[in-house]
Amino acid sequence: SQKIEQNSEALNIQEGKTATLTCNYTNYSPAYLQWYRQDPGRGPVFLLLIRENEKEKRKERLKVTFDTTLKQSLFHITASQPADSATYLCALANFNKFYFGSGTKLNVKP
Amino acid sequence: GAVVSQHPSWVICKSGTSVKIECRSLDFQATTMFWYRQFPKQSLMLMATSNEGSKATYEQGVEKDKFLINHASLTLSTLTVTSAHPEDSSFYICSWYMTRDEQYFGPGTRLTVT
Repeated sequence: SQKIEQNSEALNIQEGKTATLTCNYTNYSPAYLQWYRQDPGRGPVFLLLIRENEKEKRKERLKVTFDTTLKQSLFHITASQPADSATYLCALANFNKFYFGSGTKLNVKP
Repeated sequence: GAVVSQHPSWVICKSGTSVKIECRSLDFQATTMFWYRQFPKQSLMLMATSNEGSKATYEQGVEKDKFLINHASLTLSTLTVTSAHPEDSSFYICSWYMTRDEQYFGPGTRLTVT
């Protein structure tokens, strides 16, 4: 079965720095990959989608890369702010079925 | 826009009883929706995919007779946990699927079975 790995340890960074989160997967060939933000006790909120034939996608301070050879996606938040503190989930998808990683908690300190 | 509500937001029930969780899309309609379960510090696990007017498709290992899904309309779906046990205690989240870029999640329902 497919396996999706995100760093279970929290990432602590200083405000203004770039946060980089990793999503690795095995036994799967997703058509696309998504990144979500989840706050405690809330449902996930969609951030970005990147397709299998795309290398990089940007949206404001967010950047996602997708390497299907390495089976890895990197999620970057530039000029991070305390309000960016949350858990970030990656999700792999084919057609309309989604498989989520367990998420990485990001703490941005002022 | 794209608001999804879940009711109740949290519920405590006794072992052996049934609990119904309601998921509504408030300002849009969609044919397909999903039910997920999330244990603490773990990923969202897809339980079932439901299309309005059809029987839900359950993921391997999810008992369809225990987790009853009624997809009543393009804006309402319910998940009933029958004969709940403590191991069913979890965070249940619904989502409505419109396109690959548009999957809108509810705020979740925290179920505790005592």
